[in-house]
Amino acid sequence: SQTIHQWPATLVQPVGSPLSLECTVEGTSNPNLYWYRQAAGRGLQLLFYSVGIGQISSEVPQNLSASRPQDRQFILSSKKLLLSDSGFYLCAWSPAPLRSRQETQYFGPGTRLLVL
Amino acid sequence: QKEVEQDPGPLSVPEGAIVSLNCTYSNSAFQYFMWYRQYSRKGPELLMYTYSSGNKEDGRFTAQVDKSSKYISLFIRDSQPSDSATYLCAMSRGGDYKLSFGAGTTVTVRA
Repeated sequence: SQTIHQWPATLVQPVGSPLSLECTVEGTSNPNLYWYRQAAGRGLQLLFYSVGIGQISSEVPQNLSASRPQDRQFILSSKKLLLSDSGFYLCAWSPAPLRSRQETQYFGPGTRLLVL
Repeated sequence: QKEVEQDPGPLSVPEGAIVSLNCTYSNSAFQYFMWYRQYSRKGPELLMYTYSSGNKEDGRFTAQVDKSSKYISLFIRDSQPSDSATYLCAMSRGGDYKLSFGAGTTVTVRA
């Protein structure tokens, strides 16, 4: 079965510090990968998605960047955090094209980021 | 107007009651519909998946899609305190890797 991991679970960072959040998926190959942010009491905002190694699409211009150095690894980064970057960051995966239920996404446990 | 509208609640029901949740949407191209359950401080968990119009039942959960009205529903029968969570609807046109989410409805089932 497939498993998705995210770490760290919780992070408290000062304004202006760098950020690196990691997500890995097990049990599948060539997944589509996604980064979302969920602000308190609000819905999910898609930040980035990737359909393959080195292929990143950005949905929202902002202070963050994403990279996919390996097939099942997705990294969210920032060079200098802002207060507004605080939130709950979720990584998700969906099956590669031509497989069933391609439109379904499966989420990781999330990383809670607090920027002070 | 948001692409997907969902009443945020909160919704509070006694144990054993039927919970009724719904979302409306504006994009007639949506054809894949999902419901996710999210416990506090956890990632969303896929609960139900439906393609096009119709009903789908899984245990105590029933999902309905009415594409003519652009309206989807989730019913939870014999609700339990463990059903207390935020429920998110999501939908997709297909083929563009993106889901459109509702804001989520917070449900509390009182013992």
